Amino acid sequence: GENVEQHPSTLSVQEGDSAVIKCTYSDSASNYFPWYKQELGKGPQLIIDIRSNVGEKKDQRIAVTLNKTAKHFSLHITETQPEDSAVYFCAAASMNYGGATNKLIFGTGTLLAVQP
Amino acid sequence: DTEVTQTPKHLVMGMTNKKSLKCEQHMGHRAMYWYKQKAKKPPELMFVYSYEKLSINESVPSRFSPECPNSSLLNLHLHALQPEDSALYLCASSQTPPEAESYEQYFGPGTRLTVT
Repeated sequence: GENVEQHPSTLSVQEGDSAVIKCTYSDSASNYFPWYKQELGKGPQLIIDIRSNVGEKKDQRIAVTLNKTAKHFSLHITETQPEDSAVYFCAAASMNYGGATNKLIFGTGTLLAVQP
Repeated sequence: DTEVTQTPKHLVMGMTNKKSLKCEQHMGHRAMYWYKQKAKKPPELMFVYSYEKLSINESVPSRFSPECPNSSLLNLHLHALQPEDSALYLCASSQTPPEAESYEQYFGPGTRLTVT
């Protein structure tokens, strides 16, 4: 089955710096890669996602890149702000799984701390 | 509106109690999910319902019993739980592939369950 590795497990940056979180996946059938932000005491919030037919996607200060050949995908946050501090999870899914549902396999999470 | 609501926010129950967790969404999604999340870990899939039918059970113990009364509601019935079942229980919903235009899966805020 699919396995998703995520690095680093913790990341501390100064406000205004960039942050990069990297994930690798094992199943070449995976074709959907979302990123979630989870603040303390809250549920995961979808912040950006990418499908396998796209190499890069950007939304304001957040971007995601995908390298299908290497089975890598990364989250890039520019101009970080203290409110970006949270745990970030990557995930992978094969949208053809069972032909019925979207089964997400999550990475282990990255605790991002943005120092003011 | 991408809101998934869950009640209660917090629940404390004894090992002999019977309780239920509730989840609701009004996005017209026909896939609904239960996840369990332990501290500092990613969400773990428990159950998936597609068109109100159970499509995935990730070998969850029978003391957890899911129910999908209609396309907007999802329940998780709890009975004879163990202290190690204490966790954050998350509900999520999505459109259903392969016809889905969107692959996005949205999470609720979770129910923090403590078993004493």
